[in-house]
Amino acid sequence: DAKTTQPNSMESNEEEPVHLPCNHSTISGTDYIHWYRQLPSQGPEYVIHGLTSNVNNRMASLAIAEDRKSSTLILHRATLRDAAVYYCILYDMRFGAGTRLTVKP
Amino acid sequence: KAGVTQTPRYLIKTRGQQVTLSCSPISGHRSVSWYQQTPGQGLQFLFEYFSETQRNKGNFPGRFSGRQFSNSRSEMNVSTLELGDSALYLCASSLAYHGGELFFGEGSRLTVL
Repeated sequence: DAKTTQPNSMESNEEEPVHLPCNHSTISGTDYIHWYRQLPSQGPEYVIHGLTSNVNNRMASLAIAEDRKSSTLILHRATLRDAAVYYCILYDMRFGAGTRLTVKP
Repeated sequence: KAGVTQTPRYLIKTRGQQVTLSCSPISGHRSVSWYQQTPGQGLQFLFEYFSETQRNKGNFPGRFSGRQFSNSRSEMNVSTLELGDSALYLCASSLAYHGGELFFGEGSRLTVL
């Protein structure tokens, strides 16, 4: 099974950018990289996904390394509502423990 | 467009009993996945169904089973409940099998006494 590795937790200050890393060294050439987040007391929600090129949407940006063995989810200006657990997953949709993001006012 | 609906939202069972949870996917979605979420283990994959066939299975004992009906609705069953089965069970639906964007329900919270 494909596997991802993320830090357990990260902290950020409100209105500052946040870079959430993910390692996926066993990724295959056709695997998309997906990011989800889970707000307190809610089910996970889709954030963004990409294959090779960097991707942007209204929620975040996804930067993918040239060798595709790592990626970074970028929140350009963190808000208190961005406090959540962020998951990086591959084709098999198996979630790990994710990264718990704390945003400080 | 209605989201993913899971029933019941909360239930309490005792050890040794069995439980059936239901998931109605978003209209048009043919893939349904089930996850177990506990504080200690995080979000663990149970199984995925597509077109009434189980396509993928996680590392759970045979007490955990599921099925999908022709209208894409899915049920999961846990037999001979153990205390450790207390968890939030989440269902997700997607258009595509294996890698499509997942849309999650609010979950069914099971407490085993």
